[in-house]
Amino acid sequence: AQKVTQAQTEISVVEKEDVTLDCVYETRDTTYYLFWYKQPPSGELVFLIRRNSFDEQNEISGRYSWNFQKSTSSFNFTITASQVVDSAVYFCALTPANQAGTALIFGKGTTLSVSS
Amino acid sequence: NAGVTQTPKFRVLKTGQSMTLLCAQDMNHEYMYWYRQDPGMGLRLIHYSVGEGTTAKGEVPDGYNVSRLKKQNFLLGLESAAPSQTSVYFCASSYSGAQYFGPGTRLLVL
Repeated sequence: AQKVTQAQTEISVVEKEDVTLDCVYETRDTTYYLFWYKQPPSGELVFLIRRNSFDEQNEISGRYSWNFQKSTSSFNFTITASQVVDSAVYFCALTPANQAGTALIFGKGTTLSVSS
Repeated sequence: NAGVTQTPKFRVLKTGQSMTLLCAQDMNHEYMYWYRQDPGMGLRLIHYSVGEGTTAKGEVPDGYNVSRLKKQNFLLGLESAAPSQTSVYFCASSYSGAQYFGPGTRLLVL
């Protein structure tokens, strides 16, 4: 069975703090994709990143960075120097890479609140 | 290029009424999906389609029907709405890997 666990339901930080959102997944597939999506208060789902299971290289994009560790089945997301605009619900998701059309399996999300 | 669009944005129904939610994408994607989002539950797959004329059930298909008569459109129908179907509905499309989501439809069933 496939499963994505985001153990942190809510996180509150003050602006400029760094914050890490945890994601742990379970899958029997040997190749798969991992994703992070952002859902701001306006409600839309914004794609942030896709990571292939065979590529464990960490990625940095501006203030965002992702740490993929296959050994611990984790795909954590760090925001450096958080800003109020980062306040949103963040979802981690998983899908097998070799099954065309398979839907995403989502975690239940982590609500991040950044105060000024 | 509008991406994925959904109609309507918001709707209120009475129990027992029917309605159809429309999803349209202009990216020529083969795969399309309907999810529902409920508080504390994340997103759950209702139905999906891997191509024109094909549909399949997802995790929570009961009470819904879908059709994919044209590649760019994916319709979600509620034949007899129930309060348990009060939710936010998201449509998505994908070609390979990443899914692109519509803005959502907020449905309230009284």
